[in-house]
Amino acid sequence: QKEVEQDPGPLSVPEGAIVSLNCTYSNSAFQYFMWYRQYSRKGPELLMYTYSSGNKEDGRFTAQVDKSSKYISLFIRDSQPSDSATYLCAEGLGTGRRALTFGSGTRLQVQP
Amino acid sequence: DTGVSQDPRHKITKRGQNVTFRCDPISEHNRLYWYRQTLGQGPEFLTYFQNEAQLEKSRLLSDRFSAERPKGSFSTLEIQRTEQGDSAMYLCASSSSLTHGGTGNTIYFGEGSWLTVV
Repeated sequence: QKEVEQDPGPLSVPEGAIVSLNCTYSNSAFQYFMWYRQYSRKGPELLMYTYSSGNKEDGRFTAQVDKSSKYISLFIRDSQPSDSATYLCAEGLGTGRRALTFGSGTRLQVQP
Repeated sequence: DTGVSQDPRHKITKRGQNVTFRCDPISEHNRLYWYRQTLGQGPEFLTYFQNEAQLEKSRLLSDRFSAERPKGSFSTLEIQRTEQGDSAMYLCASSSSLTHGGTGNTIYFGEGSWLTVV
């Protein structure tokens, strides 16, 4: 079992839809959680960073963490064609080991 | 702040040749990471430096791979005797231990260096 599981998609939605992207993880030691957006043949771009359970909002993006269920989500409101990309969740331990553990990514397509 | 810079962006090499990638982190970032990413997968951790010290290495970093950060600024990743299985995008990232209460957990990636071994 991978430490971080993510549905690969592709997820296709019409422009303006609310998008929900999800990850589950197995390591209860993970302390902080990130979402990255990656366009084709580009490096990952940091979107959201959260350190605790609950919601964090930034513009059209909301990150949600439920540590008790080991489940994290990213919501995108009013989705745009420019949001079409692969979305990667990443988890970290916070102390000691500094490496992030990534999911395999969910490919999102927003249709105009 | 010009972001994390990687060079070259693309490299095609013959099997058995050596290749070297260079990474220039965000200025004043004391932590530097190398990851590898293959098609349809998330980035996989290779190694991590804090200043010039290499503090962590993944099992993926075989003895054909070596990374250095001699002055705590730029870093190089060398792959010796390349194999077709080394074909991937090699990502460099950096962070500062001074952010987020000293956790330095926000990590910023470069655009990656694509390696194709033929």
